[in-house]
Amino acid sequence: QITLKESGPTLVKPTQTLTLTCTFSGFSLSTSGVGVGWIRQPPGKALEWLALIYWDDDKRYSPSLKNRLTITKDTSKNQVVLTMTNMDPVDTATYYCAHQIVGYCGSTSCYGPLDSWGQGTLVTVSS
Amino acid sequence: QSALTQPASVSGSPGQSIIISCTGTSSDVGGYRFVSWYQHHPGKAPKLIIYEVNNRPSGVSNRFSGSKSGNTASLTISGLQAEDEADYYCSSYTNSRTLEVFGTGTKVTVL
Repeated sequence: QITLKESGPTLVKPTQTLTLTCTFSGFSLSTSGVGVGWIRQPPGKALEWLALIYWDDDKRYSPSLKNRLTITKDTSKNQVVLTMTNMDPVDTATYYCAHQIVGYCGSTSCYGPLDSWGQGTLVTVSS
Repeated sequence: QSALTQPASVSGSPGQSIIISCTGTSSDVGGYRFVSWYQHHPGKAPKLIIYEVNNRPSGVSNRFSGSKSGNTASLTISGLQAEDEADYYCSSYTNSRTLEVFGTGTKVTVL
């Protein structure tokens, strides 16, 4: 059974850096074809992709947030860490991590259904 | 970034069938059979219900089905039940970005 859990601060101040950790079990991020992604949902808004890291350490970022995001993995700890710099109130959202099995890779990106998700963690950005 | 277009809301009575559309372009929905659908009850983790246009993961009710025509993918919920009241999101591979693209989301209300 695959489980994922997000952890990190619930409140950050504007301009601070947010660090979120996704701790998972039931799979290994060193297994070929596996990825872990971060997705967020601002209150009342749609889901939004943030970043994705693959078993081979390939990393993908949202073009609009690329300059602020860093995703890393620690395979020995079964963790994926997302950092987002220069936080702003518009970044207030529930942040999810999810497990992906890559089904297809094209020239620019890969496709894979997100078959397991964490419960999400609400991060509020406010002074 | 351009999200896939979904109707903001769809409603139906118990037992009825509803269809949720997801419209993209030839760079995403129209060009590939790599569309997923997620069910999201507020406060809970989203759940994968359809992948690769019309495949259901194990354990997902066969009341959920997917299809695609041109640049539009569709999710059909048959025999609508109260527990189906949730938000639904499509997602598609795209050859114009480094990540998949989500839809704008549809709130399903069971009357």
